[in-house]
Amino acid sequence: SQQGEEDPQALSIQEGENATMNCSYKTSINNLQWYRQNSGRGLVHLILIRSNEREKHSGRLRVTLDTSKKSSSLLITASRAADTASYFCATDYGNNRLAFGKGNQVVVIP
Amino acid sequence: NAGVTQTPKFQVLKTGQSMTLQCAQDMNHNSMYWYRQDPGMGLRLIYYSASEGTTDKGEVPNGYNVSRLNKREFSLRLESAAPSQTSVYFCASSERQTQGYGYTFGSGTRLTVV
Repeated sequence: SQQGEEDPQALSIQEGENATMNCSYKTSINNLQWYRQNSGRGLVHLILIRSNEREKHSGRLRVTLDTSKKSSSLLITASRAADTASYFCATDYGNNRLAFGKGNQVVVIP
Repeated sequence: NAGVTQTPKFQVLKTGQSMTLQCAQDMNHNSMYWYRQDPGMGLRLIYYSASEGTTDKGEVPNGYNVSRLNKREFSLRLESAAPSQTSVYFCASSERQTQGYGYTFGSGTRLTVV
């Protein structure tokens, strides 16, 4: 299926460090979105980057998009314990649906 | 400001039983979706409704039916539950399908079929 795939699958870092996650996809997209899911909760929309954008910032989040490589990265700077969660990329292929990757588990150690 | 409300939060069914998962949003969103989340599988789209009065199959529709009751409500029905339908079900909504709007998710329904 044409889903985003995050890499790495699990990440454990110390508080204050940066966390970087990557996502790849297979065909052209309208936009790519990142979501966070805390344990036992629903997903929360973090940021959206359109296909004609290369970089976007929101607070401590930085997202890049490389359409030539069909990949995106999410950087969380100065991580906090509260950033411990699963992070999902989701791709909008323009076919009335959003396709989610399998998720990235991030653990921030205080 | 409730956002997307799902009921129930937990449910245990016996194989063959039926049930309806309810979802309501108060954001005047046009599009609504049902996903299931299984360990190691990410989220998979079951059905979606791009606008009131329309519904379409997603990636894994077998064994499910949906009803877009009005603009606010989108229900998911399991007619004859099977153990393979044990999962966490999420409802989501967005302002519209096109032009790149983020989804708002409910808190999920954890369903176990025994």
